[in-house]
Amino acid sequence: GAVVSQHPSWVICKSGTSVKIECRSLDFQATTMFWYRQFPKQSLMLMATSNEGSKATYEQGVEKDKFLINHASLTLSTLTVTSAHPEDSSFYICSASISTGALNSPLHFGNGTRLTVT
Amino acid sequence: AQTVTQSQPEMSVQEAETVTLSCTYDTSESDYYLFWYKQPPSRQMILVIRQEAYKQQNATENRFSVNFQKAAKSFSLKISDSQLGDAAMYFCAYRSGGNAGNMLTFGGGTRLMVKP
Repeated sequence: GAVVSQHPSWVICKSGTSVKIECRSLDFQATTMFWYRQFPKQSLMLMATSNEGSKATYEQGVEKDKFLINHASLTLSTLTVTSAHPEDSSFYICSASISTGALNSPLHFGNGTRLTVT
Repeated sequence: AQTVTQSQPEMSVQEAETVTLSCTYDTSESDYYLFWYKQPPSRQMILVIRQEAYKQQNATENRFSVNFQKAAKSFSLKISDSQLGDAAMYFCAYRSGGNAGNMLTFGGGTRLMVKP
């Protein structure tokens, strides 16, 4: 159980276009989802916290107008990279915790999306 | 803000031997949770082990165990009988107590290589 599906697993887009990444909790409800970014050989850096039915909370230095997050239901959060540039190329990972889970519940991660902007 | 530090960028172990990965953290909170995640080349994040700060007993999961030293704010991972499949990036992570929605703060990671 506790499966998080992330789509697409990889995407190549041209500079200036927008890309949408979906994160779905398949068998549980997630009031909160998290979006991380990982550069090669580096750790996961939190970009934003996505809350169902409300605005996302962005970490310092993350442009909210560039990385649009929508969490319209308890099982789906989307990250849209708008007007993508080559420096946005990275690995993006979403994660979620069960809404009614215990306090020590781990985050469940999607398989990640490798974005390449040409 | 909490910080997590992994001082070993890379570690190497001989197959069947034991290796310990270090992790320290900084927090002013008394209620929190600690995790070790494994990230193989597929980049899927896999939970290895978790520890509740209020528990004195060290967590154990088969070949994986932790040495949790709350006063020293240390949370090391010991892998016994290392296997080739253990080769991966390992991330130590911190999570505040309070509710299940709190995010994880990750350390910089340790790349573990297993020699046959």
